[in-house]
Amino acid sequence: AQSVSQHNHHVILSEAASLELGCNYSYGGTVNLFWYVQYPGQHLQLLLKYFSGDPLVKGIKGFEAEFIKSKFSFNLRKPSVQWSDTAEYFCAVIGGGTYKYIFGTGTRLKVLA
Amino acid sequence: GAGVSQTPSNKVTEKGKYVELRCDPISGHTALYWYRQSLGQGPEFLIYFQGTGAADDSGLPNDRFFAVRPEGSVSTLKIQRTERGDSAVYLCASSLMAGGGETQYFGPGTRLLVL
Repeated sequence: AQSVSQHNHHVILSEAASLELGCNYSYGGTVNLFWYVQYPGQHLQLLLKYFSGDPLVKGIKGFEAEFIKSKFSFNLRKPSVQWSDTAEYFCAVIGGGTYKYIFGTGTRLKVLA
Repeated sequence: GAGVSQTPSNKVTEKGKYVELRCDPISGHTALYWYRQSLGQGPEFLIYFQGTGAADDSGLPNDRFFAVRPEGSVSTLKIQRTERGDSAVYLCASSLMAGGGETQYFGPGTRLLVL
């Protein structure tokens, strides 16, 4: 069965620090990968997605993620975080001919002003 | 434009009762998904519809859970004989069509508490 691991459950950073959130998945076939964000009191929103082409994907609000097939990883990065990036971040994968997301457990990011 | 809407936003019920949760997808979206999110976890897939038919219901935990989408738009998730373990946030999402590269747009969720 497919699974997604997010190793960092809680991350605290100061503003302007760089961010990298890990995401690993366990499926050997073709996958589509997503990062969603949930700001406090809001619903899940798409940050970025990868399904083919350039493995470095740029999303909204300065976020990017790199798909490394050999490592089964899709880590999320941002060079300089802002207080407004405080949120919960979820990695998700679709693969194996199914159209249901498999989500990781999420990473809560707190950015200190 | 309007996003995915879900009603009610909160539902408190007693163990053993029946509940219905409603989802109104984005207009024109043919695929609709239900997920359940427990505290400290990521959303877990329950069922998805392509049009009126349930294309994959493999995530429904048992036969107390059932979902319908009779006209290919609004969907209702039905839970019979609720148990305390059913307490969670129930999320609905929709996409233009079912497909691996399609973005799913999520609603705000219904927070269900079973006492």
